[in-house]
Amino acid sequence: GENVEQHPSTLSVQEGDSAVIKCTYSDSASNYFPWYKQELGKGPQLIIDIRSNVGEKKDQRIAVTLNKTAKHFSLHITETQPEDSAVYFCAASPGYSTLTFGKGTMLLVSP
Amino acid sequence: KAGVTQTPRYLIKTRGQQVTLSCSPISGHRSVSWYQQTPGQGLQFLFEYFSETQRNKGNFPGRFSGRQFSNSRSEMNVSTLELGDSALYLCASSSTSGEETQYFGPGTRLLVL
Repeated sequence: GENVEQHPSTLSVQEGDSAVIKCTYSDSASNYFPWYKQELGKGPQLIIDIRSNVGEKKDQRIAVTLNKTAKHFSLHITETQPEDSAVYFCAASPGYSTLTFGKGTMLLVSP
Repeated sequence: KAGVTQTPRYLIKTRGQQVTLSCSPISGHRSVSWYQQTPGQGLQFLFEYFSETQRNKGNFPGRFSGRQFSNSRSEMNVSTLELGDSALYLCASSSTSGEETQYFGPGTRLLVL
């Protein structure tokens, strides 16, 4: 089955800096890669996703890149703000509503 | 549009008991997936239901089961609870089976004593 590795497990940045979280996956059949943000006491919130026919996608301060050949994808957050502090999860799916998640990255943005 | 709702939000049970959790998907969504979240194992897929049929199942013992009703609401049941079943149980809905974009509810926190 699919296996998703996520790094780093924790990331501390200063407000205004950029943050990058990287994931690798094992199943070449995976074609959908979402990123979720989870705040304390809440469920994961979809923040951006990318499909295998696209190499990069941006949404304001957030961008995701995908390298299908190397089987890795990354989340980039620019101009970080304290409210970006949360746990971020990457996931991969070959379809049929089954997501395999990475172990998560705790992002701490200090003012 | 209202999001995914889950009830109850918190539960405390003892070993050997059984528990039923409920999930109401986003209006118009017909697919419901369940996940277990623990500090050690992270987020793990339990099963997915679409049109009252289980479409996919994760690697969990038979003590974990679920069902879906004609209005797309879903329930999951865990029988003969073990301490290791303590977790956050998350429900996610998507518009159709095979539609990967999933939206999560707030979860039900289960503590087994």
